[in-house]
Amino acid sequence: GAVVSQHPSWVICKSGTSVKIECRSLDFQATTMFWYRQFPKQSLMLMATSNEGSKATYEQGVEKDKFLINHASLTLSTLTVTSAHPEDSSFYICSAPGVSYNSPLHFGNGTRLTVT
Amino acid sequence: AQTVTQSQPEMSVQEAETVTLSCTYDTSESDYYLFWYKQPPSRQMILVIRQEAYKQQNATENRFSVNFQKAAKSFSLKISDSQLGDAAMYFCAYRSAYAGNMLTFGGGTRLMVKP
Repeated sequence: GAVVSQHPSWVICKSGTSVKIECRSLDFQATTMFWYRQFPKQSLMLMATSNEGSKATYEQGVEKDKFLINHASLTLSTLTVTSAHPEDSSFYICSAPGVSYNSPLHFGNGTRLTVT
Repeated sequence: AQTVTQSQPEMSVQEAETVTLSCTYDTSESDYYLFWYKQPPSRQMILVIRQEAYKQQNATENRFSVNFQKAAKSFSLKISDSQLGDAAMYFCAYRSAYAGNMLTFGGGTRLMVKP
């Protein structure tokens, strides 16, 4: 079945550095990728939607300059957390639509980011 | 904008018993999809069951079934013959049939299964 590969699965970085998270669709083309953030014991909140060949759409309250999203190809979308701070520590999950509109979304396994 | 509400932060069930998780949603749309996702400690999102709003028949997947009440905007999940492996966070989610494929999630219910 369709798989979204997300890397890294966990990362620890120092405050002020940048971290890049990659999501790849392995056996299908993902023209769209949804990026969610999940704080401990909370739900998944949509941060932004990336679209291949165009600018990402950010949800209200999400800083575009801090969370840089690039959809470089039909199989790769990246989220870069720039100048990370401890409050950016969270679980980030990507998901891509299936082949048809009726298909369920395919989720990556998530990235646990800890900023020290 | 659509909202999804799960009023039970935590639920507990005895192994082999049945438990029902509640979910309500608010939308002005007539066509949409509803989902239940399971998130175990690994934090992987696992699709449990889905329901198309235009279908009157409640979806079932083995031990999992839903009670979809469109007029009441209610979408509960029933887990029969609960197993220890069912222990996880469960999220109810909404997806519009008109615009975009993104999911709007409820706050989640933590299900504990007692042996």
